[in-house]
Amino acid sequence: DAKTTQPTSMDCAEGRAANLPCNHSTISGNEYVYWYRQIHSQGPQYIIHGLKNNETNEMASLIITEDRKSSTLILPHATLRDTAVYYCIVRVGGSQGNLIFGKGTKLSVKP
Amino acid sequence: GAVVSQHPSWVICKSGTSVKIECRSLDFQATTMFWYRQFPKQSLMLMATSNEGSKATYEQGVEKDKFLINHASLTLSTLTVTSAHPEDSSFYICSARTRVGNQPQHFGDGTRLSIL
Repeated sequence: DAKTTQPTSMDCAEGRAANLPCNHSTISGNEYVYWYRQIHSQGPQYIIHGLKNNETNEMASLIITEDRKSSTLILPHATLRDTAVYYCIVRVGGSQGNLIFGKGTKLSVKP
Repeated sequence: GAVVSQHPSWVICKSGTSVKIECRSLDFQATTMFWYRQFPKQSLMLMATSNEGSKATYEQGVEKDKFLINHASLTLSTLTVTSAHPEDSSFYICSARTRVGNQPQHFGDGTRLSIL
């Protein structure tokens, strides 16, 4: 079973920041949080991952709370092409464990 | 970034035939490969995990004789759906990962399988 909880859907205006929350209250000390997104009829695309510290790359920023029980993915300037299902995943079984997908958040970016 | 190539992207075949799907890691050595299945409006479900040179580990409820997985090299894994039936119609997605640290898994673009 997935170890994360995400809202079913969210809307965001084009050009604005999209903030996608995720709860992972049962996360263990050595488990990473991964974010992927899936655009319709494509395979999931890796976005970012982190353990304790906040992370940023060319796609997004990941903010992890100090107690690690929740995190937020931030798309700083959402575009229509960012419309997708976003999955927050805690890897089960440590660094060699599997990615178990939950239902994710359907983000709709609107003009 | 890392690229995983999956082929074919789309296949239609008659009931009772077998279908092979290929998954290749193009710019890294995939010590572990994964096969997922996704039905319409549902999330991805892990079917099996395979390490190079070893037998695949199947998730509960997935028939290993139905879904044959071969991971003979560090860049290629194949999934063969044997004697396919209409209920096997789905979106099949492969994924690959290197053993190094907490590197992310990368996914192929999926194969849409339709059995008539």
